[in-house]
Amino acid sequence: SQQGEEDPQALSIQEGENATMNCSYKTSINNLQWYRQNSGRGLVHLILIRSNEREKHSGRLRVTLDTSKKSSSLLITASRAADTASYFCATDAEANSKLTFGKGITLSVRP
Amino acid sequence: DSGVTQTPKHLITATGQRVTLRCSPRSGDLSVYWYQQSLDQGLQFLIQYYNGEERAKGNILERFSAQQFPDLHSELNLSSLELGDSALYFCASSVGKVSEQYFGPGTRLTVT
Repeated sequence: SQQGEEDPQALSIQEGENATMNCSYKTSINNLQWYRQNSGRGLVHLILIRSNEREKHSGRLRVTLDTSKKSSSLLITASRAADTASYFCATDAEANSKLTFGKGITLSVRP
Repeated sequence: DSGVTQTPKHLITATGQRVTLRCSPRSGDLSVYWYQQSLDQGLQFLIQYYNGEERAKGNILERFSAQQFPDLHSELNLSSLELGDSALYFCASSVGKVSEQYFGPGTRLTVT
């Protein structure tokens, strides 16, 4: 089974709105990462948050991590049509130090 | 452009055949990862090499093998191909053993 599970599976919003995507995981982690993938292309690293961090910002992105709930959220503020893509969370479990990806969230931003 | 290159971009082959996918990591990156992405299985980690040594293994079939060469480029060999092996195969690289990964554009494999 997947270590990271994203929620919702698909999200459709209007340009200018905020998009919130959630990720839950099962085992203790070293860090959690978010990636974006445009259709059929390679994944692009967005942000990495370590297990001892609670919140991190990068431009219009805000990531939070709650290790007690084993969950993370990715917030994209003031969304743009160009943000349309699939978003994946990936966790690096303490036990094996390999990155495990969730199934992804499909975000559609309507112009 | 991530700096990771993969060849070929597309590959069409028949069942039972063998193919080799090639990856060149970003300059300075020691870790190389291989992933398979299909509609039904999602993004699956196959294998990781660090500075020439196998470091982690995921859902890699016995028909598949990989290696990392002294110049740090890597090859993924897929043999006795089946229809179900049709997928996008991504290579990624990172500086360390576990850190943010930079993905190549992928190789789309179609087995007919």
